[in-house]
Amino acid sequence: RKEVEQDPGPFNVPEGATVAFNCTYSNSASQSFFWYRQDCRKEPKLLMSVYSSGNEDGRFTAQLNRASQYISLLIRDSKLSDSATYLCVVLGSNYQLIWGAGTKLIIKP
Amino acid sequence: DAGVTQSPTHLIKTRGQQVTLRCSPKSGHDTVSWYQQALGQGPQFIFQYYEEEERQRGNFPDRFSGHQFPNYSSELNVNALLLGDSALYLCASSRIIAGGSTDTQYFGPGTRLTVL
Repeated sequence: RKEVEQDPGPFNVPEGATVAFNCTYSNSASQSFFWYRQDCRKEPKLLMSVYSSGNEDGRFTAQLNRASQYISLLIRDSKLSDSATYLCVVLGSNYQLIWGAGTKLIIKP
Repeated sequence: DAGVTQSPTHLIKTRGQQVTLRCSPKSGHDTVSWYQQALGQGPQFIFQYYEEEERQRGNFPDRFSGHQFPNYSSELNVNALLLGDSALYLCASSRIIAGGSTDTQYFGPGTRLTVL
């Protein structure tokens, strides 16, 4: 089993819709969680950290469920510019970042 | 304030050759991490350098080695290249914070290595 698992997609979503991704992780000792965004042939960029109480940044909401060992990302009112691959990242107990393979999102006009 | 820079942007090598990739961290950062990202995959951690020493290492063979210089810049060396080494090599810089963890990692644009 992979340490961090994501549905690779692609998720094809009409502009303006709400879309959600989940990511599961295997190490219950993991302490920090992040969502990164990666555009085609570009480097990953931090989208948001994920806090235990959940957090929101504009149209983006991140949630953490420690009991079930998953994190989620919700995007409301999706824009064409949201099209990208979203990478779930977990900080392991040895301070290494462990990455999921990413979920590809395509927003259609 | 320059962000993380990497050179070269693209590189083509043949099997058996050796390659050196370079990274300059973001100003104020003291830690450099290297990742390999194959097509359609997430980045895989290679190793991390802090205070000119390898601090952590992922599951990569000894053909992958690195170095960090006093100005915090870093090099990734790969010997005896294999076809499977073709990937995007990403460098990320950060700062060590209390407890030994690192602050947010910022990525460079990457070096795309093709091995023929």
